[in-house]
Amino acid sequence: DTGVSQDPRHKITKRGQNVTFRCDPISEHNRLYWYRQTLGQGPEFLTYFQNEAQLEKSRLLSDRFSAERPKGSFSTLEIQRTEQGDSAMYLCASSEGLAGSDTQYFGPGTRLTVL
Amino acid sequence: AQSVTQLDSQVPVFEEAPVELRCNYSSSVSVYLFWYVQYPNQGLQLLLKYLSGSTLVKGINGFEAEFNKSQTSFHLRKPSVHISDTAEYFCAVNNDYKLSFGAGTTVTVRA
Repeated sequence: DTGVSQDPRHKITKRGQNVTFRCDPISEHNRLYWYRQTLGQGPEFLTYFQNEAQLEKSRLLSDRFSAERPKGSFSTLEIQRTEQGDSAMYLCASSEGLAGSDTQYFGPGTRLTVL
Repeated sequence: AQSVTQLDSQVPVFEEAPVELRCNYSSSVSVYLFWYVQYPNQGLQLLLKYLSGSTLVKGINGFEAEFNKSQTSFHLRKPSVHISDTAEYFCAVNNDYKLSFGAGTTVTVRA
């Protein structure tokens, strides 16, 4: 079991460009989560999937953000027309079961810098 | 919605000294509580979690936490810290399926 992986680890882009991040969860994990973490703050929930279904999106997730999890395996998070306020660490996590008590395992994150 | 408050933003501590990180939660229902650690430029790693049962929870790396329902607290402790414990620590509560995190406590261990 190699853990949750994310790609790329770092992304620098210019304002207005589109970016896409990938997350590979732990194999057989049903749930996949995206969080955003800004400097000096704890992670904030963005969205989550149960298998391939996206079950909730936070109000933090504006229309410029879209996430997918085709076939219930890896997930992508796309940000269109990036803004400087999108600069943050984007964390992906996965959990095995469907219970709130299940541990969420986090990836190393993708650090986005919007110039 | 459930939330957590971490009462200390920074905690400097000398090597081999004890440390306590304070966390209070707000909830009117049963909760699942977690402590995660984040080392520089890394993701979050679970230290321990409270689900039910014994209020004293032991985790990895010598950490433990005590759940106190009457004080709505879940404080994290370690009797003797090492330089390698320098990191940011997050308390979190499970809101059904998603985690709500506190703002974090930065622990800096000095020789």
